[in-house]
Amino acid sequence: EWQLVESGGGLVQPGGSLRLSCAASGFTFTCCWMSWVRQAPGKGLEWVANINQDGSEDYYVDSVKGRFTISRDKAKNALFLQMNSLRVEDTAVYYCARDRTYYYGSGTYSPTYGMDVWGHGTTVTVSS
Amino acid sequence: QSALTQPASVSGSPGQSITISCTGTSSDIGAYNYVSWYRHYPGEAPQLMIYEVTNRVSGVSNRFSGSKSGNTASLTISGLQAEDEADYFCSSYTNNKVIFGGGTKLTV
Repeated sequence: EWQLVESGGGLVQPGGSLRLSCAASGFTFTCCWMSWVRQAPGKGLEWVANINQDGSEDYYVDSVKGRFTISRDKAKNALFLQMNSLRVEDTAVYYCARDRTYYYGSGTYSPTYGMDVWGHGTTVTVSS
Repeated sequence: QSALTQPASVSGSPGQSITISCTGTSSDIGAYNYVSWYRHYPGEAPQLMIYEVTNRVSGVSNRFSGSKSGNTASLTISGLQAEDEADYFCSSYTNNKVIFGGGTKLTV
């Protein structure tokens, strides 16, 4: 069974840091692009960042650029999100998600930007 | 990058068909065939229903279908069932980012 389990959320003061983790199981972790998506209370989904299958490319929503860093560890089958300089508006449930990525052989991967496996989320609250 | 525009709510009776629209721009929906649709029951993980505009995920009922015309994508659900009541989100790729719609609450 494909599974993603997030951890690392909690209460932090504005300006503080948190590191989220996402443990992957049931599939070959290096198959796919991975993303972090968040949902603020009473709001819709917001894509935060993604990373390609070998960690050589990463992209961010403008509001977190320079503050958040996405990374992955293939030996641990884990995805991470280092969040620094946290703001009240970063308060949300953070989901880890797998991209439905095509593999064309010879090391060529192509994301579809459709996220087909999700964790149940970890809650981050930024408040003084 | 602005969010995609979805109606806040739609409703239908069991057995009916409904369509949820998702409007973007020529830089996102209009430029790429990377539109996805998700069903989200509150408190649970979102579920991918449709990807690349029209591709249905394995195991998803064929009552769900996706389409696109210009800068607007659509999700159609036919033969509405009570279990379809949920929030639905669209998303699109644009310029090395992914943007979501604000979500549509479907009431059956």
